[in-house]
Amino acid sequence: GAVVSQHPSWVICKSGTSVKIECRSLDFQATTMFWYRQFPKQSLMLMATSNEGSKATYEQGVEKDKFLINHASLTLSTLTVTSAHPEDSSFYICSARFGLDTEAFFGQGTRLTVV
Amino acid sequence: SQQGEEDPQALSIQEGENATMNCSYKTSINNLQWYRQNSGRGLVHLILIRSNEREKHSGRLRVTLDTSKKSSSLLITASRAADTASYFCATDGEAAGNKLTFGGGTRVLVKP
Repeated sequence: GAVVSQHPSWVICKSGTSVKIECRSLDFQATTMFWYRQFPKQSLMLMATSNEGSKATYEQGVEKDKFLINHASLTLSTLTVTSAHPEDSSFYICSARFGLDTEAFFGQGTRLTVV
Repeated sequence: SQQGEEDPQALSIQEGENATMNCSYKTSINNLQWYRQNSGRGLVHLILIRSNEREKHSGRLRVTLDTSKKSSSLLITASRAADTASYFCATDGEAAGNKLTFGGGTRVLVKP
């Protein structure tokens, strides 16, 4: 299957700072990538759909100014958590698909801890 | 919001036993997918079953889909300790904007 690489796998940052998470599709071009957030022992909640060359589409309740998404190329999408606070601590996962009606390939996830 | 509801939330079995988990959903779908997640890791795709299919197999995995009841099941036969993980169903269809919507997951513990 296709490979999606997410970096870093974990990060600890101070409250008020910004953190960037990268998601790369290694062996295919992904025009669309998805960013999820997962709390402990809970399901994945879709945050936004990242579209190459255009603005991301955010789900209801997700602050676009808080979670900045940039999809500058067909193989890279980034999620920046701006002015992070302890309540932003979570597991963030990205995924990519070849197209509609297909399976998704997930990155390894990033554990963000804001202290 | 979550489309799928999974049952049970947690399951503990002995190695060699079968594990069955169910997923119910609310809107029409194009396909339903099952994923596995080991603790602290990303998700791995297991099986995709389309709305016009009723059953699908992959190794020790068997998935059924009943669109009239809007439900699906995942059966893991002859479980192994390495099957310990969380299992999620995800629905895919135009009703959800062609975005995968995940259920709450079933945490499976296989005791050696």
